[in-house]
Amino acid sequence: EVQLLESGGGLEQPGGSLRLSCAASGFTFSSYSMSWVRQAPRKGLEWVSVVSSSGDTTHYADSVKGRFTISRDNSKNTLYLQMNSLRAEDTAKYYCVKDASGWGAFDIWGQGTMVTVSS
Amino acid sequence: DIVITQTPLSLSVTPGQPASISCRSSQSLLHTDGKTYLYWYLQKPGQPPQPLIYEVSNRFSGVPNRFSGSGSGTDFTLRISRVEAEDAGVYYCMHSILFPRAFGQGTRVEIK
Repeated sequence: EVQLLESGGGLEQPGGSLRLSCAASGFTFSSYSMSWVRQAPRKGLEWVSVVSSSGDTTHYADSVKGRFTISRDNSKNTLYLQMNSLRAEDTAKYYCVKDASGWGAFDIWGQGTMVTVSS
Repeated sequence: DIVITQTPLSLSVTPGQPASISCRSSQSLLHTDGKTYLYWYLQKPGQPPQPLIYEVSNRFSGVPNRFSGSGSGTDFTLRISRVEAEDAGVYYCMHSILFPRAFGQGTRVEIK
């Protein structure tokens, strides 16, 4: 079964850091670009970041650029999101997403992990 | 950055009736490779989003054929030919022609 399982969310103070992980199974992880998409409470979807299948190319939303770093370990079938200098507006559920085409064909979504930034 | 605007923001539909959602982009989503990078996703209550349509009009695997997508350039439409109770949720369109990718605000569909 194709599956994405996020972990690492929780409560953090403004200015703090968290690292999210996403364990992939059921498909050849190293063949696909992967993204993070977030959703603030009672709000819509916001694309956050993408990493290419090899890990050598990344892109970010302006709202997180310079603070978040996406990476992957293809030997461990795991995607990461290092989140630094957290702000209250980063409070959201973060979804790990498989991109079937490399062009936004998000065919598999994880259940998400909640990040709350509050003092 | 490209801005995606969906209309309406909410819709109430009787089962068996058709429904239509519009998605407009601030720039053309037609790439030089000939493809148009516009997608549709549905988020049912309490669940992560699920894929519906890729590249304007292609259904993802397993998506019922009552869902169809159309459009070109900057104007796109998702149609449900005969709405069923399980179609309730929030529908999002998304572009991916360049970075940053962006979703529309979402259209909430309620089943009467």
